[in-house]
Amino acid sequence: NAGVTQTPKFRILKIGQSMTLQCTQDMNHNYMYWYRQDPGMGLKLIYYSVGAGITDKGEVPNGYNVSRSTTEDFPLRLELAAPSQTSVYFCASSWTGEATEAFFGQGTRLTVV
Amino acid sequence: GENVEQHPSTLSVQEGDSAVIKCTYSDSASNYFPWYKQELGKGPQLIIDIRSNVGEKKDQRIAVTLNKTAKHFSLHITETQPEDSAVYFCATTDSWGKLQFGAGTQVVVTP
Repeated sequence: NAGVTQTPKFRILKIGQSMTLQCTQDMNHNYMYWYRQDPGMGLKLIYYSVGAGITDKGEVPNGYNVSRSTTEDFPLRLELAAPSQTSVYFCASSWTGEATEAFFGQGTRLTVV
Repeated sequence: GENVEQHPSTLSVQEGDSAVIKCTYSDSASNYFPWYKQELGKGPQLIIDIRSNVGEKKDQRIAVTLNKTAKHFSLHITETQPEDSAVYFCATTDSWGKLQFGAGTQVVVTP
C-alpha cells in the first residue's frame, strides 16, 4: 500500500498564481485532512472531510478551497497565492474521526515569491 | 478551540539518557492523546497514544502518562539512541478527529 500520497513535493509560485495540491489515499479512509506547518510551529488544520461530498473548515481556511468527490482524493486549491501561504502542507487520513491514528503524506513544500 | 502547550521546544540529551516532553491542554472533553514523531523531510508518524481511561501506557523504550485532573500528559523516552533525534508533537483530538497539535519539541541525541 502506498498510504497517503501528495504531489508535488516542491513548488515555487509567484504572487497571484493559483495551484492545486493533490492528495490521494489507498486505505479507504473516510476522514481526510489538510494541515500547514510553519517553521517552529505545530500543524494547523486548514480543511477536513468526513466523507465524499462533505468538507468543512479548520482553523486557518482563508485563501484555500477543497473538494472531495471521491473517497480517495482530497485536493487543496490555492487561489491568488500570497507570501503568507509559504509553508509545508501535509495531507492526512484516518479511518474514523475519534481516537484513531492519522496517516500523513510526505508533505508539499510551497514557496510564494 | 483547544489549546495545546508543549515544553520544552528543544531538548538535547546524551545517548543513553532519558528524555521527557510535557504537554498541557485546555478542553476537559478531550479523550485521546497521541504523540507523533517527525523525521526530517517526512510527515509525522504516530509513535504512541493514550486514551482518557488509562493513566499510563508503555511500548518498549517509550511511555506516555496522562493526568486528566491536571490536564497534562507526558512522553518519556528511555535509553535514548541517535535514531530518536526528531521533532515530537503531542496532540489532542475532538470528537471529529481533528488533531490539535502542540508546537513541537526538537530532540537531539548526542553520542
